[in-house]
Amino acid sequence: SQQGEEDPQALSIQEGENATMNCSYKTSINNLQWYRQNSGRGLVHLILIRSNEREKHSGRLRVTLDTSKKSSSLLITASRAADTASYFCATLKRIQGAQKLVFGQGTRLTINP
Amino acid sequence: ETGVTQSPTHLIKTRGQQVTLRCSSQSGHNTVSWYQQALGQGPQFIFQYYREEENGRGNFPPRFSGLQFPNYSSELNVNALELDDSALYLCASSAPDGGNYGYTFGSGTRLTVV
Repeated sequence: SQQGEEDPQALSIQEGENATMNCSYKTSINNLQWYRQNSGRGLVHLILIRSNEREKHSGRLRVTLDTSKKSSSLLITASRAADTASYFCATLKRIQGAQKLVFGQGTRLTINP
Repeated sequence: ETGVTQSPTHLIKTRGQQVTLRCSSQSGHNTVSWYQQALGQGPQFIFQYYREEENGRGNFPPRFSGLQFPNYSSELNVNALELDDSALYLCASSAPDGGNYGYTFGSGTRLTVV
């Protein structure tokens, strides 16, 4: 079952514009993670925000977390063609003795030159 | 520091056959997780291995099995392949508390069952 739900499912913007993606989740979390996936290949870890944090920055990325609304957003500023990818939020869930990532369906971002 | 390496990158199998996918974990990581990603979907957790033992399993049938070796590399085996097993299979390595820091994923193996 999917824990996170990304919104929108697809986003197309012009190069240089900012891109905002949203994620909602259902249960309480320790942290929320964002990953990028290029062309159906491997996932790249972008940023992790802990439940006691409200905002985090990494380069052109800004992530916010609102635990009261069970939602997070990922902002990419000054987008570039190389940012074209699918973006997933993921939360951790304990399963037996392991921890698993529970992903949403992702937002497919297209940056137009 | 080496990343996570998966092999092969692409594979075509016939329904009913068996397949083995391989993953070498990142240096210093002793936990390996496997995920299945169907087209247009987010990855789904298959299972996790720690110290050569499976310590957590998702909602996948027993024909999905795995191994972890002393060097922390891992294999995913799927028996009696079905058409719905066609997907991208992703391996992720981490330290045991990797969930608190993020996971390192390989580039995946694209499996097509015909």
